[in-house]
Parts: sequence; structure tokens; C-alpha cells
Amino acid sequence: DVKVTQSSRYLVKRTGEKVFLECVQDMDHENMFWYRQDPGLGLRLIYFSYDVKMKEKGDIPEGYSVSREKKERFSLILESASTNQTSMYLCASSSSRTDTQYFGPGTRLTVL
Amino acid sequence: DQQVKQNSPSLSVQEGRISILNCDYTNSMFDYFLWYKKYPAEGPTFLISISSIKDKNEDGRFTVFLNKSAKHLSLHIVPSQPGDSAVYFCAASDSITNTDKLIFGTGTRLQVFP
Repeated sequence: DVKVTQSSRYLVKRTGEKVFLECVQDMDHENMFWYRQDPGLGLRLIYFSYDVKMKEKGDIPEGYSVSREKKERFSLILESASTNQTSMYLCASSSSRTDTQYFGPGTRLTVL
Repeated sequence: DQQVKQNSPSLSVQEGRISILNCDYTNSMFDYFLWYKKYPAEGPTFLISISSIKDKNEDGRFTVFLNKSAKHLSLHIVPSQPGDSAVYFCAASDSITNTDKLIFGTGTRLQVFP
């Protein structure tokens, strides 16, 4: 069974704080993804990575950065959190042999 | 531009009846389609997929139909159960560009009532 874990289920931060969201997968997947989910907007891709130290911008990368120092770990960084970054953040991973992505439980981030 | 569209934000179905969730896409290069199910405060879970070389794929109570000429796919759940109440997302990918990215629809909230 694929397991994708995220460091926090719920997080409350203040405007301007630096926020780290961590994601770990245990299936040796090459690909990892960060999405945010907002009502009526579905899942929107923020950043993704095909390999260690590689990253690609998704559809909404502004205000975010990522880090992938190890194959199993993909971090999302909000350099200076803003209230419009209040959202559900979802991490996913997939093998390069298939397009099926497996998701973590999500982190509900609230920025006050 | 929304390449994958789920035009019904919600659907309500009686237990035991059929639920039909619809999804339309615009990019003719999409060749792999997936359905995910999401409960509140949880991550999406993979449900079923279909390749563009098929027009139907079945897994238990879940069947996905693909109509390539209409650029339309649908998920049928028969019989529907209260535990099926969740948000369903369809997603599509394009193996030609081989980016491994999925494009998601906006989701349909299914409610199955007794």
C-alpha cells in the first residue's frame, strides 16, 4: 500500500510568517506534487518534482517555493504567508510508469 | 481555461439507485482518465481509471465510460450507498507530452440519502 504522509493535519499561522509543509512517501516514487484545494476550484497544481533536486512550476506557483533534497520528501514553503493562502494543501506522489497519483491526508492551513 | 469540466457541482441520489457523475474535457491529446473520491478533511483516494483505447472499465459497483468523440466520460455507481457520499473528481493526463501531470475537474458532491 502506498503511504503518503503530511506533517500536520491542521495549521494556524499569522500573516507574514514563513510556513513549511512537509510530505513523505514510502513507495520510492519518482514524482511528487503539491496541490491546493479550494471550494469550487477543484485541485490546482502548485509545484511538482520528477526527481531529487528537480522542480517544475504548476499552475499557481506564486507565493510558494519547494524543496526536494531526498527522493521520499517534498516540502512546500510559503515564504511570507498571506490570508489568501488559507486553503487545504494536498501532497501526492506517483511512479514514472503510471499516471495514478496517491494523495496524503491533507493539511488545512489557516492564515490569520 | 478549464480543460476538464464537471458541470454539476452536486448530485443527490437515493440509496440503491444509480449515481451518474459526468465529466467533459477539451484537450483531444488526453489519453488517460481517472476518478478520485474525497471525503471531508481527507486526501483524495483513487477510485478507477480508463485508458483511451477502451470505452468502458468496470470495478465492482463502479463503471467508467469514455466517449472519445464527445470528449465525455462518466462514472456510474450501482447501487449507490450512503458511504458513497463524497466529492468526486475526474482527472485527465496526456502521455504524449509525458509530463505525468493530472488535470483535475472542479468536483461533484454526491449525496446518497436513505
